[in-house]
Amino acid sequence: NAGVTQTPKFRILKIGQSMTLQCTQDMNHNYMYWYRQDPGMGLKLIYYSVGAGITDKGEVPNGYNVSRSTTEDFPLRLELAAPSQTSVYFCASSYSNQLAGTYEQYFGPGTRLTVT
Amino acid sequence: AQSVTQLDSQVPVFEEAPVELRCNYSSSVSVYLFWYVQYPNQGLQLLLKYLSGSTLVESINGFEAEFNKSQTSFHLRKPSVHISDTAEYFCAVSANYGGSQGNLIFGKGTKLSVKP
Repeated sequence: NAGVTQTPKFRILKIGQSMTLQCTQDMNHNYMYWYRQDPGMGLKLIYYSVGAGITDKGEVPNGYNVSRSTTEDFPLRLELAAPSQTSVYFCASSYSNQLAGTYEQYFGPGTRLTVT
Repeated sequence: AQSVTQLDSQVPVFEEAPVELRCNYSSSVSVYLFWYVQYPNQGLQLLLKYLSGSTLVESINGFEAEFNKSQTSFHLRKPSVHISDTAEYFCAVSANYGGSQGNLIFGKGTKLSVKP
């Protein structure tokens, strides 16, 4: 299993440009997540999905959009990039069931994005 | 809602010395607890987890953590650190009931720096 894969690894955007960060998992996990990591701030949840066709906002959703058309893929879209979106972005997935809740999350290697 | 506090942002220590990274949490429901490790320029990897059962959990590389419900703590310890343990460590908590969102709440991280 490849686990959680993310592309690209690095990207530089100009202010106002848009892009899509790709995330794929091959573990048949029902839950998927997008986080951003800024120095000294830990990880903040942007969006999450509990299954195909279902997404919801996390702590910091402004400026981002997501979709989940399949179990495997969970792309993150940045519209009108701003310098405040300079960050490292991590995708994660996990398995959850109705009885026990959700166990650990598995993380991708990250995408380092710079907006100038 | 849950929250996590990692009491030290940086911990410098000499090689072969013991180390403790502190983590306290707050929650109105029962929780699962996790420690993740992030090596430079990499994603997060699960180090160890407490789901249920024994309150002392161990990792394969010599770390251990103890769940203390009365003190709402989950401190990470290692009796003798190596240079290769230099990394950032994140404590995380999630609600452990079925139907929960499965979101992890992360602390802000502790940077462990092991010096020769």
